[in-house]
Amino acid sequence: AQRVTQPEKLLSVFKGAPVELKCNYSYSGSPELFWYVQYSRQRLQLLLRHISRESIKGFTADLNKGETSFHLKKPFAQEEDSAMYYCALMVVDSSYKLIFGSGTRLLVRP
Amino acid sequence: DAGITQSPRHKVTETGTPVTLRCHQTENHRYMYWYRQDPGHGLRLIHYSYGVKDTDKGEVSDGYSVSRSKTEDFLLTLESATSSQTSVYFCATGTSGVDEQFFGPGTRLTVL
Repeated sequence: AQRVTQPEKLLSVFKGAPVELKCNYSYSGSPELFWYVQYSRQRLQLLLRHISRESIKGFTADLNKGETSFHLKKPFAQEEDSAMYYCALMVVDSSYKLIFGSGTRLLVRP
Repeated sequence: DAGITQSPRHKVTETGTPVTLRCHQTENHRYMYWYRQDPGHGLRLIHYSYGVKDTDKGEVSDGYSVSRSKTEDFLLTLESATSSQTSVYFCATGTSGVDEQFFGPGTRLTVL
């Protein structure tokens, strides 16, 4: 069965520290993965997707098919990075659907 | 952001009453989705639409129905609301099924 697991509900780091938000997936097909972010009082929005291989706001994520992971990383966290982060997997059957993880709240302390 | 709106933004209702949530878009996106967001579960897909009058079920569709009579509007109906349907409901749209989804501001529904 397809599944996305984000093991940490809350990740708290100090400003300037490295950040890694974990995401593991289970899917028999070719994975297409995304990170969405929801800042306080803002809408959920796309942060990045693995196929574009972009670095957005200093965040990167590498798809590791061997470990079925798509961890989100940033070398130096900023206070404005505090938000809720969701990993999502695109599932293709009769149509295209996103399966979201349960989310990780990142708190960057000054 | 103004391209996707949801109404109402907040609603309190009683068990057993029907409720309809509306998602309106001005983006002319073909795909529209309804999710619910609950602590510990993230976002779960309720129903989606891949065109006018074309809809399908998501992973948590029981107790919900949808309709899409025109491109701009996607309605989510709870025929007889239950307390387990207390949640935040998000609408999203997309140009194609594989690309980025754009989210509405959410509707907070409380069923007493």
